[in-house]
Amino acid sequence: DQQVKQNSPSLSVQEGRISILNCDYTNSMFDYFLWYKKYPAEGPTFLISISSIKDKNEDGRFTVFLNKSAKHLSLHIVPSQPGDSAVYFCAASARGNTPLVFGKGTRLSVIA
Amino acid sequence: NAGVMQNPRHLVRRRGQEARLRCSPMKGHSHVYWYRQLPEEGLKFMVYLQKENIIDESGMPKERFSAEFPKEGPSILRIQQVVRGDSAAYFCASSRSQENTEAFFGQGTRLTVV
Repeated sequence: DQQVKQNSPSLSVQEGRISILNCDYTNSMFDYFLWYKKYPAEGPTFLISISSIKDKNEDGRFTVFLNKSAKHLSLHIVPSQPGDSAVYFCAASARGNTPLVFGKGTRLSVIA
Repeated sequence: NAGVMQNPRHLVRRRGQEARLRCSPMKGHSHVYWYRQLPEEGLKFMVYLQKENIIDESGMPKERFSAEFPKEGPSILRIQQVVRGDSAAYFCASSRSQENTEAFFGQGTRLTVV
């Protein structure tokens, strides 16, 4: 029973274009969402987060959008760069004392 | 990311041996989480500890696996009598507070059972 789903295992994007990574969740108790980036043989690195009281959070080239009614969030990267090529994990938690629940990840390849 | 230290980075064990994975959280962090990543899978939560206490072990197999976070020293994830299916990358994360707003991960320990 996956509470956090990333339905696209992989995504290829041309350098300079927009990358859109999607994530769906089923648990309505989740109120905090995070995106992590992971390179091979390294641990996940925190990228950006959003609280359920917001519908958008922006940090440089990275923007996360949250649609609570659809239980959907997305990460936009623009412009995409070759160094963005990595696996991106969506994670969610209910603030308080629940650990992060992760999706299976989406492998982004940015082609020069 | 570099602040959470895990060792060893790679660990090879024969079936039936014990594996001990260590995690030193970031300075000032007293909350530690262990996750396991199987090939082509996401990170699966195993256990959440605060100093000297296990807060949530709902993701940890009931047998052969144990975790501790003593008052002094690193957190230890211990796997007894390892089997091939235990081969995975084990990641530790730490956070400053229970709210877990930003958990920082270590580089992981890749366990291979032969």
